[in-house]
Amino acid sequence: EVQLLESGGDLVQPGESLRLSCAASGFTFSSYGMSWVRQAPGKGLEWVSAISGSGGSTYYADSVKGRFTISRDSSKNTLYLQMNSLRADDTAVYYCAKGLGPSAIIPDNWGLGTLVTVSS
Amino acid sequence: QAVVTQEPSLTVSPGGTVTLTCGSSTGAVTSGHYPYWFQQKPGQAPRTLIHDISNKHSWTPARFSGSLLGGKAALTLSGAQPEDEAEYYCLLFQSGVVVFGGGTKLTVL
Repeated sequence: EVQLLESGGDLVQPGESLRLSCAASGFTFSSYGMSWVRQAPGKGLEWVSAISGSGGSTYYADSVKGRFTISRDSSKNTLYLQMNSLRADDTAVYYCAKGLGPSAIIPDNWGLGTLVTVSS
Repeated sequence: QAVVTQEPSLTVSPGGTVTLTCGSSTGAVTSGHYPYWFQQKPGQAPRTLIHDISNKHSWTPARFSGSLLGGKAALTLSGAQPEDEAEYYCLLFQSGVVVFGGGTKLTVL
């Protein structure tokens, strides 16, 4: 059974940094693309970033490009999202998701999410 | 960036049939957009119902089906149940970018 467990969400001030983690189990981690999707309070879903199974290809939404970095560690079966220069509009629940294949950047299996709040 | 459009809200009677649609501001939705449909209930994470137009997961109730209809992706619910009341999001892959629709709030009443 695929399990994705996000962690690292916190309350931070504008301009600060935060790193989210997603521990994966139940599948061969390096064989699947992974992505991050966020949802601001009371709002819809927004795709944030994705990474191929090998880690060789990364993709970002324009809203986070240059501030966020996605990475993965196959030895730890863990996906990361390094978030720098955080802004109030980055406040959201961040979901980790697994794709359907090694190059799949579309979220398919979802974690439960972790809340990031950016506020002074 | 292209905009993905969905009906903001729809209502269906218990046992009834309803079709939700997903359009693209760039033109007709095709298989190349890899349409997905997700269900999200309050306080829960999204759950994928349909991928690649019409493919279901093992957990997708048989009453849900996906298709292309009139230049849009469509999610049809046949025989609505009270537990189907939820927000439904579609997703399109457009020009190398993943874009979600704004969501359809489905009421079963």
